[in-house]
Amino acid sequence: DGGITQSPKYLFRKEGQNVTLSCEQNLNHDAMYWYRQDPGQGLRLIYYSQIVNDFQKGDIAEGYSVSREKKESFPLTVTSAQKNPTAFYLCASSSSGELFFGEGSRLTVL
Amino acid sequence: QQPVQSPQAVILREGEDAVINCSSSKALYSVHWYRQKHGEAPVFLMILLKGGEQKGHEKISASFNEKKQQSSLYLTASQLSYSGTYFCGTELGNYKLTFGKGTLLTVNP
Repeated sequence: DGGITQSPKYLFRKEGQNVTLSCEQNLNHDAMYWYRQDPGQGLRLIYYSQIVNDFQKGDIAEGYSVSREKKESFPLTVTSAQKNPTAFYLCASSSSGELFFGEGSRLTVL
Repeated sequence: QQPVQSPQAVILREGEDAVINCSSSKALYSVHWYRQKHGEAPVFLMILLKGGEQKGHEKISASFNEKKQQSSLYLTASQLSYSGTYFCGTELGNYKLTFGKGTLLTVNP
């Protein structure tokens, strides 16, 4: 089955720790995206990548980092510099406009 | 900059119609519409490219006014399954897809 897999589904971390969220797709899509979802804020774009080894900052990139070493993978690192990291994170991929979303990762900072 | 959606929330009875609006201050290349049910990932409804075209998906259709940078989603004869949060996404032609804050649609029996 083709799709997007995000892991872990739930993650808890202590303040000051970095954490990496995984996103893997087997749809052979070129473009991949990371969004953050908070109540009442909609989906806010963190980073996006059109091709391997290239990515661009979205609207709220501060405190986050990404890499795109393989077409299938687009991991997101939430660093200790992110002041309010508790949120629901969604990864998506696209080849012709339509976005396909993963099931999301819920990060809670204790 | 996030597109602006209106209304923020709407409550319908089954069979009623609704319109959700989306506007941007920038020249748009395309507008996307997605629906998200509680606890699930957003699901694609349709995409409209600049040119003022209108698209349909069963009883859900949308229009795109390129001159006004506005799009509207039309839900006709709503069903209980239409409940969820609707997001419009706007793209300027550079793969950067920005979403609005969403419109919560509740359809009651």
